[in-house]
Amino acid sequence: DIQMTQSPATLSASLGDRVTITCRASQNIHGWLAWYQQKPGKAPKLLIYAASSLEGGVSSRFSGSASGSEFTLTITSLEPDDFATYYCHQYNTYSRGSFGQGTRLEIK
Amino acid sequence: EVQLLESGGGLVQPGGSLRLSCGVSGFTFSNYAMSWVRQAPGTGLEWVSVIYTGGSSRYYADSVEGRFTISRDDSNNMLYLQMNSLRADDTAVYYCAKFRQQLVFNAPDVFDHWGQGTVVTVSS
Repeated sequence: DIQMTQSPATLSASLGDRVTITCRASQNIHGWLAWYQQKPGKAPKLLIYAASSLEGGVSSRFSGSASGSEFTLTITSLEPDDFATYYCHQYNTYSRGSFGQGTRLEIK
Repeated sequence: EVQLLESGGGLVQPGGSLRLSCGVSGFTFSNYAMSWVRQAPGTGLEWVSVIYTGGSSRYYADSVEGRFTISRDDSNNMLYLQMNSLRADDTAVYYCAKFRQQLVFNAPDVFDHWGQGTVVTVSS
């Protein structure tokens, strides 16, 4: 099975900051990587798919990139609504998927 | 507007069974693969199962293989998860989730819409 290692587990930042979250895949997932945002008590929200494609309606302050097996979510100009937990999701295999452990973005 | 609404969660004893339902609207259900994803208290997301269009292709996480069965009723726009031999570590919020692309068969995809979740608690 493909394992996703997400870091950091917790990230403290201030309004207006630029932050990055990273996921590393244990195998080649051919860029099939998505990012979700989840707020307490709510369902996840799709932000990025195929490593760097922005889902419709999502702010352009969110962006994704890939370098080999390492994937990065970048959020610029942090706003109050951005403080949440973020998950990566590999969907390389049609018979199963897996998520990263999550990164909690908190206000410094 | 796309909507997914789970139901059927509750408190069940270890070894018991539950059937979760997910009613959908706002899209052509029969054209989309669907999944169940769960989240244990205070932890991250865990992929549970997927069912592709037509219902013949279904896959499960190792942790639920042989105990859970995913199914769909395209005529009534319903997704189901039959959960048997429940264990304490099955305690979680269970979400149904819709594939982003339609007419995907045995090909992976992301989830662009999720339900609000239904809580399953396995405890004596």
